[in-house]
Amino acid sequence: EDQVTQSPEALRLQEGESSSLNCSYTVSGLRGLFWYRQDPGKGPEFLFTLYSAGEEKEKERLKATLTKKESFLHITAPKPEDSATYLCAVQPGRTNFGNEKLTFGTGTRLTIIP
Amino acid sequence: SAVISQKPSRDICQRGTSLTIQCQVDSQVTMMFWYRQQPGQSLTLIATANQGSEATYESGFVIDKFPISRPNLTFSTLTVSNMSPEDSSIYLCSVKGTENYGYTFGSGTRLTVV
Repeated sequence: EDQVTQSPEALRLQEGESSSLNCSYTVSGLRGLFWYRQDPGKGPEFLFTLYSAGEEKEKERLKATLTKKESFLHITAPKPEDSATYLCAVQPGRTNFGNEKLTFGTGTRLTIIP
Repeated sequence: SAVISQKPSRDICQRGTSLTIQCQVDSQVTMMFWYRQQPGQSLTLIATANQGSEATYESGFVIDKFPISRPNLTFSTLTVSNMSPEDSSIYLCSVKGTENYGYTFGSGTRLTVV
């Protein structure tokens, strides 16, 4: 069974204090690993898709990296508007027709203090 | 990326009643997905809805409890039937985007059953 574990559950940082969020996964083959941002009362907002170990993607202050067992979301010099819950999800390489299931972690709740 | 309109955004319902959630997409899509996000939990896939065929349900979810309609390529509904307080959750619809946009989610329906 596919599993995704995110750590820490919650993280409080001072504005400008860089850090990393972790997403450990077990999956039968990996078709893709996804990072999302979720603000209170809203649906998840897509950030990145990573497909193979060694891949990196960047967007503003965020950089996502991928190994064979985990992914990191690095946040550089964060601002208060980066406060949100960050979700990680995996999609297995095996799929049945019509099934494109994502398995999500429980997320890291990030708070950036001005 | 696709834009999803989901209604209602929230509702408070009496136990034993049913609620139908609507999901409208601004472009034609083959597959639509319905997820549940229970308080403090990760997103869990309920079912995949294909136009013109029966929805495919994940383990632990049954059609009698969560009937789904998919009348065309831009619209789907999820009904939560015979509700109990344990059904209190956020329900989200999702569609597959392009490679650069991952899976797009609606803003969610926050359901409280009393």
